[in-house]
Amino acid sequence: ETGVTQTPRHLVMGMTNKKSLKCEQHLGHNAMYWYKQSAKKPLELMFVYSLEERVENNSVPSRFSPECPNSSHLFLHLHTLQPEDSALYLCASSQVPRLENEAFFGQGTRLTVV
Amino acid sequence: SQELEQSPQSLIVQEGKNLTINCTSSKTLYGLYWYKQKYGEGLIFLMMLQKGGEEKSHEKITAKLDEKKQQSSLHITASQPSHAGIYLCGAASLTGANNLFFGTGTRLTVIP
Repeated sequence: ETGVTQTPRHLVMGMTNKKSLKCEQHLGHNAMYWYKQSAKKPLELMFVYSLEERVENNSVPSRFSPECPNSSHLFLHLHTLQPEDSALYLCASSQVPRLENEAFFGQGTRLTVV
Repeated sequence: SQELEQSPQSLIVQEGKNLTINCTSSKTLYGLYWYKQKYGEGLIFLMMLQKGGEEKSHEKITAKLDEKKQQSSLHITASQPSHAGIYLCGAASLTGANNLFFGTGTRLTVIP
């Protein structure tokens, strides 16, 4: 138990569906992150929210839309995904400034797009 | 952009054997993190190194950051099946202090 909870753990969705991934942290951190982990690729940073403002958006397609309503919650809204978007999506949180503090990860959501 | 390369990509060892995993950066490291991941699950933080020459230990796992600060090694002594998993090194980017990027990982299998 890392203090970062992701739901759902598994998700299967069609290419025309709309779904959302949820992440919640109980650590009092002020930064939250979305990562994508595909087979045989390094973890890819998708979005970073620091003090509830988006500070990183690494060329992620618009079919992924993040939302951070407060410092404890982070969502990733999904729509019209492609099969290549199937991956493990990991949420993390940390206390900024980043260089001095480690990030804690959730268990991930295994997403399959059919 | 800065890249992290891990070696080996996979490792199979007999229980009780020692092993070392390396992480090499293309640029100077300003914070090096080691994580462990069970297949299909989240990352568990192991330790963080910030100063060249720094060495930290947690149970039977020791990590070092070399003095030139471009390489780190993770050493496991007397490996056990519970050590099996994917080991990932991560580093913070100076250009984006909120950016934590990772190597491709080393998959460790420990045979009882």
